[in-house]
Parts: sequence; structure tokens; C-alpha cells
Amino acid sequence: EAGVTQFPSHSVIEKGQTVTLRCDPISGHDNLYWYRRVMGKEIKFLLHFVKESKQDESGMPNNRFLAERTGGTYSTLKVQPAELEDSGVYFCASSPDHRPRAEAFFGQGTRLTVV
Amino acid sequence: QKEVEQDPGPLSVPEGAIVSLNCTYSNSAFQYFMWYRQYSRKGPELLMYTYSSGNKEDGRFTAQVDKSSKYISLFIRDSQPSDSATYLCATWDAGNMLTFGGGTRLMVKP
Repeated sequence: EAGVTQFPSHSVIEKGQTVTLRCDPISGHDNLYWYRRVMGKEIKFLLHFVKESKQDESGMPNNRFLAERTGGTYSTLKVQPAELEDSGVYFCASSPDHRPRAEAFFGQGTRLTVV
Repeated sequence: QKEVEQDPGPLSVPEGAIVSLNCTYSNSAFQYFMWYRQYSRKGPELLMYTYSSGNKEDGRFTAQVDKSSKYISLFIRDSQPSDSATYLCATWDAGNMLTFGGGTRLMVKP
């Protein structure tokens, strides 16, 4: 069974540019989460999808971040325009609905560097 | 105050040692307590989780939760060089999100 896949694995962009991160969850997982870790900090929750619906986006830092999940399958996280403080590692995770949501499987992350 | 506190380490032990990793948390609403292992440049990998207080054992790993003191522990017996990684504790309050500690870097030397 394929795990959670994220790409790109690494992105370097200039301040003010736009970047789109993609996450493919494990097939059949209704729950999809985005987290991020900025330098020197712990991993923090960004938002949660159940199928195509946003269940909780309380962790999104500001309106420069837009997440979508088309048809309840893959998800994208767009940062527009990117700022220096957006640098960090963005993780996607997924979990099936019939298990405790604590059992989330993480992707390898996208390392975003804004210069 | 952070919701989940974890000593960043690094913690260096010889191969075969018993390793003790610990976290404290502040929110009494947390119900599930997880341990993730993260290798360099990889995503967190769920090792095990416990619900409420008590112990849970899986091979060389034992997770322990004491809700009265808000203390979470992971013990690794017969540690191996392949156990060298960052260990993240996390909690979940039956809502939508995991709350992570900062991680402890463990190095097991041959």
C-alpha cells in the first residue's frame, strides 16, 4: 500500500512568489491534515479536511494560505505571496475514518525555503 | 507555556542501553498520547499510542502515561543504532489536531 506522498520534496522560491504544495493521501483515507514545522519550533497543525470539506482550519496562519482538496482525493496548499517566515517543512497526514484520528500517517514533508 | 514540553536532547547512549524519553503536557482534555519516530529528512512515523493512563508494550518499546502528573514516557529496551532518530511525543484531545512536543534527538552509539 502506498503511503502519503508529498511533492515537491523541496522548493526554493523568492519572497513574493507563489508556491503550491501537493499531498496525495493513502487511498480511502477520508481525513487529511496539513501541519508545518518552522525552524526551532514544534510541528503545528494547520488544517483538517474530511473528504472535500474543511473541518477545521484554525491553524492557518493568515489568508496568504489556501488549501483545497479536490473531490476528496489529493490536496493542495498554496502560499501566495510567500514571505520569509513561511520557510519550514510542511507535512501532510491522512487517517481513515474508522480508526481513531490519532492514527495519522505522515508524508515525508515538503521543505519550503523562501529567500 | 507550551502545551507539550519535551527535552530536545541530544540524548546519547551506548548500544544495548535502556532509553527513557519523556514529555509533560498541560491540557487535561488530552485523551490519546502518541509517540512518533522521525528519521532525518523523513516524515514522522507513528510508533505507538495509548488511550488515557497506563502502559502499552510493543516489542522493545513501552509507552507509559500518568494522567495524574501529566507525564508521558517512552522506554526503549536493548537500544540499537537504528533507533537513532528524533522522537516526538504528541497528544490528541478528540478534536481535529495533534499537539506535538518539540522532539528529542536520540543517538545510539555502536
